Amino acid sequence: SQELEQSPQSLIVQEGKNLTINCTSSKTLYGLYWYKQKYGEGLIFLMMLQKGGEEKSHEKITAKLDEKKQQSSLHITASQPSHAGIYLCGADRNWGKLQFGAGTQVVVTP
Amino acid sequence: GAVVSQHPSWVICKSGTSVKIECRSLDFQATTMFWYRQFPKQSLMLMATSNEGSKATYEQGVEKDKFLINHASLTLSTLTVTSAHPEDSSFYICSIAGASYNEQFFGPGTRLTVL
Repeated sequence: SQELEQSPQSLIVQEGKNLTINCTSSKTLYGLYWYKQKYGEGLIFLMMLQKGGEEKSHEKITAKLDEKKQQSSLHITASQPSHAGIYLCGADRNWGKLQFGAGTQVVVTP
Repeated sequence: GAVVSQHPSWVICKSGTSVKIECRSLDFQATTMFWYRQFPKQSLMLMATSNEGSKATYEQGVEKDKFLINHASLTLSTLTVTSAHPEDSSFYICSIAGASYNEQFFGPGTRLTVL
C-alpha cells in the first residue's frame, strides 16, 4: 500500500510569518489533494494536483507537486489566525479513493 | 464546490443498537460516494465506496455486515452501524467525487458515541 508521510506533525507560527508543510509518498502520486480540517469538523477542499511540476495558488496558499510526483508541499504566506487548523494531504489511490497523511496541526500566534 | 450534508451531526446510542447516518449531495448528482472514519487524534481512513444502484465495496478490514451502506439515489447514501459497540465510537465523514475525480468534497461529519 502507499505510504504518505506528512511533516511536520505540528507547527506554531507567528502571525505574518510563512510556513510550509510537506507530504511525501512512497509511490508515484496520480492525484494529490490538500484539505484543511478544524478538529471534529469536515474537510475544506484546498487544492488538487496531478501533473509533475504543477503549482496552484489560492489567496495566500500555494501547493506544488514535484517533477517525480512523489512529494508535495503546501506553503502559506503571511499566515493569519484563520489559517489555524489541521492540514491533510490525501493521495488518490484509485478512482477517488483517498489515502490520507497523518495531518499537520498549525497554530498561529499573535 | 459541491455541498454535502450529513445527518445527524452527532449521535449517542447504547451498545447493541443500530445507528443510521445520512449523507446527502445537495447540488450534485453523485454516482459515487465515499465513507471515511476518523478516530481521535488520527487521520481519516477510507471505509467503503458507495455506488448508486449497486453494492458498496469495502476496504480490507471493514466488516460489510456491520457497516451497511445503501446508495438509494444519486443524492443520498446511508451508512448504518449495526449492533454498535463502544469501539465503533468515531467521527464518520462522507465525501463525493466530482465527475472527473479531480475534486472531492466532504460532508461536515457525524460524531458517533456508543455507551
